[in-house]
Amino acid sequence: DAGVIQSPRHEVTEMGQEVTLRCKPISGHNSLFWYRQTMMRGLELLIYFNNNVPIDDSGMPEDRFSAKMPNASFSTLKIQPSEPRDSAVYFCASSLNRGDEQYFGPGTRLTVT
Amino acid sequence: TQLLEQSPQFLSIQEGENLTVYCNSSSVFSSLQWYRQEPGEGPVLLVTVVTGGEVKKLKRLTFQFGDARKDSSLHITAAQPGDTGLYLCAGVSGTASKLTFGTGTRLQVTL
Repeated sequence: DAGVIQSPRHEVTEMGQEVTLRCKPISGHNSLFWYRQTMMRGLELLIYFNNNVPIDDSGMPEDRFSAKMPNASFSTLKIQPSEPRDSAVYFCASSLNRGDEQYFGPGTRLTVT
Repeated sequence: TQLLEQSPQFLSIQEGENLTVYCNSSSVFSSLQWYRQEPGEGPVLLVTVVTGGEVKKLKRLTFQFGDARKDSSLHITAAQPGDTGLYLCAGVSGTASKLTFGTGTRLQVTL
């Protein structure tokens, strides 16, 4: 199994630029989660989808962040415009159904200068 | 806001020593999970404890869920260098099983 696939693995961008992070969940999984990990705040849930529908986006920091899941095999997390405080590792995770074990991708390390 | 505090934050021990990591909250969770994360990778689930007072063993790792389902502990016996990593507890709540992660304990085991 390929596991959860995230791209890019590393992203360095300048403040004000648009950033798009991508995730391919495990085939057959119905729930998808986006997390952000920083030293200061730890691992935080940003948003999760069930059957491609956003269920809870209360963790999204502000309107600069948006997430989509156009189909069962692809999701994006977009930051526009990006700011230095957005620098973090962003993880995507998927689970078979809500409540099942979550499998995490390798993460995207984002640096905004 | 549900908070999960882990202690200690950092732990550096020698191979063969025993250690305990604590995960505490003022909130009640339906279940609690423990993850291990290695550098450059995502967290990997080790165990889920569901019932208050439950104890689960995974080789040299022993996990316990508090009676009130607000706290948990992870005990490692005879630590090995392969146990090195970031240990995260995560409280599970709600019908969607939303995870709230703890602050993390970074463990280093040296020869």
